[in-house]
Amino acid sequence: DIQMTQSPSTLSASVGDRVTITCRASRSISSWLAWYQQKPGKAPKLLIYKASSLESGVPSRFSGSGSGTEFTLTISSLQPDDFASYYCQQHYSYGLTFGGGTKVEIK
Amino acid sequence: EVQLLESGGGLVQPGGSLRVSCAASEIIFSSHSLSWVRQAPGKGLEWVSTISGSDNTTYYADSVKGRFTISRDSSKNTVYLQMNSLRAEDTAVYHCAKHSAAATVFDYWGQGTLVTVS
Repeated sequence: DIQMTQSPSTLSASVGDRVTITCRASRSISSWLAWYQQKPGKAPKLLIYKASSLESGVPSRFSGSGSGTEFTLTISSLQPDDFASYYCQQHYSYGLTFGGGTKVEIK
Repeated sequence: EVQLLESGGGLVQPGGSLRVSCAASEIIFSSHSLSWVRQAPGKGLEWVSTISGSDNTTYYADSVKGRFTISRDSSKNTVYLQMNSLRAEDTAVYHCAKHSAAATVFDYWGQGTLVTVS
């Protein structure tokens, strides 16, 4: 299986900050990378797929980039609703795999 | 409206069996692949299994292969996950998730059902 590694595991930031989360794949997955947001006690929410395609209804402050083995999720101006955990997922091949997650906390 | 409603979770002893269910709205069930994704308490997400909406092809994570079986009942718009030989490490909230039409990603999720192996 393809291993996905996220960094950092925890990130402290303030409202209005620009935030970047990195996800690395153990081998090339082209652009087959998705990002999810999860709040405590809730199901995950799809934000981005195919590395940079924004899911319908997701605010434009979220963006994704990268290809091959290195990818980033950027929140251009952090909002109070964005404090949550974020996960990447490779959708290149079965078995599908997720990164370990990044928790975005209030600084 | 897209709806996914899981049920069937509970407490089971190690080595035991349990079947969890996911009732889906018809618009989902008839044309989309469905997966189970689990999350152990305080941990990250782990994909478990997928059943294709087109031809019932199934896929499994190595961690559950040979122990878990995914199936679907079209007459009930329901997907099942039969879990046998359960281990403590299978303890998790099990979410049912619908695949997007655009990619093998999950665009709708149920709230999950908790399975505790102890």
